[in-house]
Amino acid sequence: GENVEQHPSTLSVQEGDSAVIKCTYSDSASNYFPWYKQELGKGPQLIIDIRSNVGEKKDQRIAVTLNKTAKHFSLHITETQPEDSAVYFCAASQAAGNKLTFGGGTRVLVKP
Amino acid sequence: SAVISQKPSRDICQRGTSLTIQCQVDSQVTMMFWYRQQPGQSLTLIATANQGSEATYESGFVIDKFPISRPNLTFSTLTVSNMSPEDSSIYLCSVGARQGLDTGELFFGEGSRLTVL
Repeated sequence: GENVEQHPSTLSVQEGDSAVIKCTYSDSASNYFPWYKQELGKGPQLIIDIRSNVGEKKDQRIAVTLNKTAKHFSLHITETQPEDSAVYFCAASQAAGNKLTFGGGTRVLVKP
Repeated sequence: SAVISQKPSRDICQRGTSLTIQCQVDSQVTMMFWYRQQPGQSLTLIATANQGSEATYESGFVIDKFPISRPNLTFSTLTVSNMSPEDSSIYLCSVGARQGLDTGELFFGEGSRLTVL
């Protein structure tokens, strides 16, 4: 089955700096890669996703890149703000809308 | 996105008892899943809830321990049976987009936080 590795497990950045989280996956059949943000006491919230037919996608301060050859994808958050502090999860699946395999999560702390 | 309501939001349970978690969606959805998130950990898929048929369980999860019902396209239940402290987790319902508008995203409820004493 699919295996998703996520790094780093914790990330501390100064407000205004950028944060980068990296994930690798094992199943070459995976073609849908969402990112979720989970705040304390809440369920995961989808923040951005990318499908295998594109290499990059951007939404305001958030961007995701995908390298299918190397089987890795990354989340980039620019101009970080304290409200970006949360746990971020990457995930992979073989089809959008299908079951997801999650990475281990990254706890991001943005220091004011 | 679909609005997902889970009940209970949290509960404290005694060892050996069972608890049923409900997931209600505000629109008909094709795909529904149940995940477990152990304290400080990532999300692990328990099973896919299939409407009108038996759920499809992932390796390590069995129907006797986690029976699931899905009587229609807007509702599902997960029961955690014969609980032990190791079952203390957040249980999350996840659904796909509304039927007929499948954009591929999966959305999560707020979760049900169970503590087993």
